[in-house]
Amino acid sequence: DADVTQTPRNRITKTGKRIMLECSQTKGHDRMYWYRQDPGLGLRLIYYSFDVKDINKGEISDGYSVSRQAQAKFSLSLESAIPNQTALYFCATSPGGDYGYTFGSGTRLTVV
Amino acid sequence: AQRVTQPEKLLSVFKGAPVELKCNYSYSGSPELFWYVQYSRQRLQLLLRHISRESIKGFTADLNKGETSFHLKKPFAQEEDSAMYYCAQTNAGKSTFGDGTTLTVKP
Repeated sequence: DADVTQTPRNRITKTGKRIMLECSQTKGHDRMYWYRQDPGLGLRLIYYSFDVKDINKGEISDGYSVSRQAQAKFSLSLESAIPNQTALYFCATSPGGDYGYTFGSGTRLTVV
Repeated sequence: AQRVTQPEKLLSVFKGAPVELKCNYSYSGSPELFWYVQYSRQRLQLLLRHISRESIKGFTADLNKGETSFHLKKPFAQEEDSAMYYCAQTNAGKSTFGDGTTLTVKP
């Protein structure tokens, strides 16, 4: 089935470490997004990309970077992880227009 | 900045009762509005798009531009409707989400 796959599902890392979260999709969508979810705060946009050559910052991009390696792959990196980056991270894709998003299962990241 | 407000963090109703999950948005133009649902141990998934004016799993949502609202309604709640619900608005290709409402339908 066409899907959005995130790896890893869970990760515990130490403060100061670099970590990469990966997202791949088989839906053929051009648009990809990274959101983080904190308890009681909904989803907040970190970065988004409308095609391979397009990268845009969201509302909370500080401390994060992304790479769009191909239409199907969009990776999120934490250059130097800190404890307040502990959260649930979601990747999403969209064909654009008013079709909404398809989400991955999420990556639960804990920074200790 | 765009803002989506879901005033109820928790909502509890009995099976068979009507349910309404409230959502207010801030965008003053022609909004693209959505409801997403997350059932226990499942990924977030699209439930409704305002543009389609459809009913999914018995849920409907009406856009009220005067009140800038997009409330989600179901006349007879079922236990399987228990989940987390998010309202979202999209502008310039990116979505802003509300904080979510956890709906519990009691038997």
